[in-house]
Amino acid sequence: EIVLTQSPGTLSLSPGERATLSCRASQNVNHNFLAWYQQKVGQAPRLLIYAASTRATGISDRFTGSGSGTDFTLTINRLQPEDFAVYFCQQYGVSRTFGRGTKVEL
Amino acid sequence: QVQLQQSGPGLVKPSQTLSLNCAVSGDSVSSTSIGWNWVRQSPSRGLEWLGRTYYRSKSYNDFAESVKSRISITADTSRNQFSLHLSSVTPEDTAVYYCTMDRWDSGYFENWGQGTRVTVSS
Repeated sequence: EIVLTQSPGTLSLSPGERATLSCRASQNVNHNFLAWYQQKVGQAPRLLIYAASTRATGISDRFTGSGSGTDFTLTINRLQPEDFAVYFCQQYGVSRTFGRGTKVEL
Repeated sequence: QVQLQQSGPGLVKPSQTLSLNCAVSGDSVSSTSIGWNWVRQSPSRGLEWLGRTYYRSKSYNDFAESVKSRISITADTSRNQFSLHLSSVTPEDTAVYYCTMDRWDSGYFENWGQGTRVTVSS
């Protein structure tokens, strides 16, 4: 099983700042099959990024995914109030596994 | 836009079978381009993919190793819904369960149900 380790666990930032979230895989993620999701309290996850860097339909260009192999990053530019949430990475190269999440808090 | 609406009990007794339904609108459960998945989330296990059913020339299933011996996922074309059945549950199966979907075997999840909080307790 591919284990995804997200860091930091919590990121404390202010609106307008940039958030940089890391997702490290225990082994190479085939074809960079890595996705990012945003989850707010009481809601289901929402797909932001797939294939490491492709934004899902309707996702703001303030969200940027990058990386390859075992190291991936989600960058959120100019944080807006609605961006404060928990973010998960998921690999789908071998079965499907998720990271434990990074909370972006005010 | 595909929409998923979940239903099912929020409380299940230990050793019994957990059953949840996911009604699909905006597409068909017999679509040959969509996989119908279940994912759960708990504080102890995080987000965990459980399995999927998908129809190509016939119906197929994939299941996570962690639940493979206890899980089934079925599709009901007459009701356009799919269902999760997890047998022999224990308190470790307490979680929020989500139905979700992926297109063309992509493996990432575009649309999600609202979630059902299931507690396993006597």
